[in-house]
Amino acid sequence: GAGVSQSPSNKVTEKGKDVELRCDPISGHTALYWYRQRLGQGLEFLIYFQGNSAPDKSGLPSDRFSAERTGESVSTLTIQRTQQEDSAVYLCASRGGVRNTEAFFGQGTRLTVV
Amino acid sequence: RKEVEQDPGPFNVPEGATVAFNCTYSNSASQSFFWYRQDCRKEPKLLMSVYSSGNEDGRFTAQLNRASQYISLLIRDSKLSDSATYLCVVARSGGYNKLIFGAGTRLAVHP
Repeated sequence: GAGVSQSPSNKVTEKGKDVELRCDPISGHTALYWYRQRLGQGLEFLIYFQGNSAPDKSGLPSDRFSAERTGESVSTLTIQRTQQEDSAVYLCASRGGVRNTEAFFGQGTRLTVV
Repeated sequence: RKEVEQDPGPFNVPEGATVAFNCTYSNSASQSFFWYRQDCRKEPKLLMSVYSSGNEDGRFTAQLNRASQYISLLIRDSKLSDSATYLCVVARSGGYNKLIFGAGTRLAVHP
């Protein structure tokens, strides 16, 4: 596709349920990032995939959060047993492999846990 | 200490004003630098890359000081449409450069 695509755009879930968020990066982009942004706050790094290297999971806030990416394709972010504090916009970005290139963001998934 | 630090603002300025944002980074091996803009309830988008010699794009000027590990963004002749949050972004050295975002500086331009 022309840009980074995320789905769903909005998700309302009950506390305790699991959710899965999807990101389709720009074709050919080797790097993929997940960020969380709470209302009125900055971007919080979650996880970073680079090609077939082991992902950098240093930003995942708890073991309820996990993410997968197969090769240089789609990524899914899974949140298990959701809590109200998980409510946020989850943003995905992808970037080409050449230094100094920009990262392109998807429009995000707005997650509301009720 | 955060790896990338910015003054959160908000900066409230009148139209036509000149405003400057600063950003400091802690990793001296950082190699790539960017300014992104994020409008309310939208995703961040690249405003401009920052080059060692400094660079200008219309009313926007970006500067890099590697010795002080400091990046700046200057906006001249502010417009109402410049109201947004400005994010400083630093890419770590090595391989494919993981991007680290600052928390952003909010700018509000008023008539």
